[in-house]
Amino acid sequence: DIQMTQSPSSLSASEGDRVTITCRASQSIGRNLNWYQQKPGKAPKLLMYGTSSLQGGVPSRFSGSGSGTDFTLTISSLQPEDFATYHCQQSDRFPWTFGQGTKVEIK
Amino acid sequence: QVQLQESGPGLVKPSQTLSLTCTVSDGSINSGSYSWSWIRQPAGKGLEWIGRIYTSGSNNYNPSLKSRVTMSVDTSNNQFSLKLSSVTATDTAVYYCARGAHYASGSYPPIYYYYMDVWGKGTTVTVSS
Repeated sequence: DIQMTQSPSSLSASEGDRVTITCRASQSIGRNLNWYQQKPGKAPKLLMYGTSSLQGGVPSRFSGSGSGTDFTLTISSLQPEDFATYHCQQSDRFPWTFGQGTKVEIK
Repeated sequence: QVQLQESGPGLVKPSQTLSLTCTVSDGSINSGSYSWSWIRQPAGKGLEWIGRIYTSGSNNYNPSLKSRVTMSVDTSNNQFSLKLSSVTATDTAVYYCARGAHYASGSYPPIYYYYMDVWGKGTTVTVSS
């Protein structure tokens, strides 16, 4: 299985901060990398697919980059509604696998 | 916008079979070339993809669960289902159903990118006697 490792596991940030989350794959996955946002007690919500394509309705302050094994999700200016856990997921090889999640907390 | 809703018993005894159904509403399970996935999440832990199925019956299962998993589609009722046999306490989790979509890059040959764009709210299943 392809292992997905996110860093950091958690971070504290303030409203307006620029936040970057990293996801590393144990082998090359091209650009088949997706990002999901999950709030407590809720289902994950697709933010980004194919590394950098923004899902409809997702604010443009979210952006994604990378290829191969190293990927990033950036929030350019953190808003109150962005405090959540973020998961990366690879869909290049079966079984599809997720990172362990990065929890973004209020500083 | 299509919506998904999981249903099934919230409590299953060890060694028995967990059975869940996902009902698709505000859209047809047959429309488009979508796949239909199950994902689970133990309390306080990460997400685990269980597998996916197409309305053709074609499927892909996670090898770690493959010997115990069966997925099926009921197009007449706009539903798809998950059965997980011989459950233990480690199968206790929130179970989500999700729609899988894909798009093709503009390159030749095209590269296909797969993602899960619509999720159900999840249902908690506890395995306990």
